[in-house]
Amino acid sequence: DIVMTQTPLSLSVTPGQPASISCKSSQSLLHSDGKTYLYWYLQKPGQSPQLLIYEVSSRFSGVPDRFSGSGSGTDFTLKISRVEAEDVGVYYCMQGIHLPPDTFGQGTKLEIK
Amino acid sequence: EVQLVESGGGLVQPGRSLRLSCTASGFTFGDYAMSWFRQAPGKGLEWVGFIRSKAYGGTTEYAASVKGRFTISRDDSKSIAYLQMNSLKTEDTAVYYCTRMVVAAPTYYFDYWGQGTLVTVSS
Repeated sequence: DIVMTQTPLSLSVTPGQPASISCKSSQSLLHSDGKTYLYWYLQKPGQSPQLLIYEVSSRFSGVPDRFSGSGSGTDFTLKISRVEAEDVGVYYCMQGIHLPPDTFGQGTKLEIK
Repeated sequence: EVQLVESGGGLVQPGRSLRLSCTASGFTFGDYAMSWFRQAPGKGLEWVGFIRSKAYGGTTEYAASVKGRFTISRDDSKSIAYLQMNSLKTEDTAVYYCTRMVVAAPTYYFDYWGQGTLVTVSS
């Protein structure tokens, strides 16, 4: 079974400041095709999750460019260059190589100071 | 615009059944796998199961926690996915989300989610 571990579990950020979330997988997400299948989602309060980043670093349609993803193999990072009030919520990383159930990390809650 | 709308949630007694529907629009429903997730109050996301598109046999996969009790089906003519939940337990209480599942071998991901429907299992 693959385990996705996020740190920190919560963070409080002043608007305009950067934020960073780490995600580590227990197995490499690098496929033999050369691509790495790691995804990031945001669940805003009272809403359903929304896809932010696919394949480590590509932003999904409509996602602001203050969001960026990086990493390789088993270690990944989601960065927000300048946090805005609308960025609050829970961020989840997801592995897209092995079929569910072991899909999502436990989530990181972002709050505004 | 892709839209997924869940319906059918509500209060149900333990041991009873409930069927959720997910009505899709804005895309060719039959071309996609569809998945269900749930989220208990204050908890993270739990995958429930998915159904492949007919092109891939329309077969299903389930989480161990619901296997044998829940059944996912689809009606491509109506663009609806269903989650039939039998023998409900109090621990099935959650918001249930349907998602469009993109299967692009070797990867998969969930690009659009419905707004969710609340299922409360209580006597």
